[in-house]
Amino acid sequence: QKEVEQNSGPLSVPEGAIASLNCTYSDRGSQSFFWYRQYSGKSPELIMFIYSNGDKEDGRFTAQLNKASQYVSLLIRDSQPSDSATYLCAVNRGRVDNNDMRFGAGTRLTVKP
Amino acid sequence: DGGITQSPKYLFRKEGQNVTLSCEQNLNHDAMYWYRQDPGQGLRLIYYSQIVNDFQKGDIAEGYSVSREKKESFPLTVTSAQKNPTAFYLCASSRQDLSQPQHFGDGTRLSIL
Repeated sequence: QKEVEQNSGPLSVPEGAIASLNCTYSDRGSQSFFWYRQYSGKSPELIMFIYSNGDKEDGRFTAQLNKASQYVSLLIRDSQPSDSATYLCAVNRGRVDNNDMRFGAGTRLTVKP
Repeated sequence: DGGITQSPKYLFRKEGQNVTLSCEQNLNHDAMYWYRQDPGQGLRLIYYSQIVNDFQKGDIAEGYSVSREKKESFPLTVTSAQKNPTAFYLCASSRQDLSQPQHFGDGTRLSIL
């Protein structure tokens, strides 16, 4: 089992729809959770982080965390073609070293005009 | 502007040659990281450093070496022992706290001639 798993996609949604991206993780002791967006040929950029169970909203983005189910998701409302990118889920296991980040392989999202 | 600068953007390596990728940050971050990204795969950790003059191997350190003589700089050398070096190399930095995200440079794309 991979430490951080995401559906590779591609996930295709029409413009204006809600895109739902999912991520599961294997280490129950994981402490903090991040979503990065990566455009083709570019480096990842941070878009959301969440530490506590529940929802966290920032503009059109909502991150959801359920530690009991070891599940974190990202919702993108009113999806735009500019949201087309690969979304990486990252989990900080907080083990021996303070910063022990594990990344999923990413979900490719395409928003069609 | 604070950020992470990686150079060069593109690099070509000949057989038997060592090459060095540069990473400099002015974010005053203690921790720095090197990742490798292959097409369709997640980020894999090569080396990381939590403090000057100290660094640890990540999951795929074989064929690579690093140094951390200054807080701002964390160069990565891809040695001739790395037989499959073609990949996208990403440098990241963060504060020393597991709640803090990692921030990435623009990456270096390395290819074999």
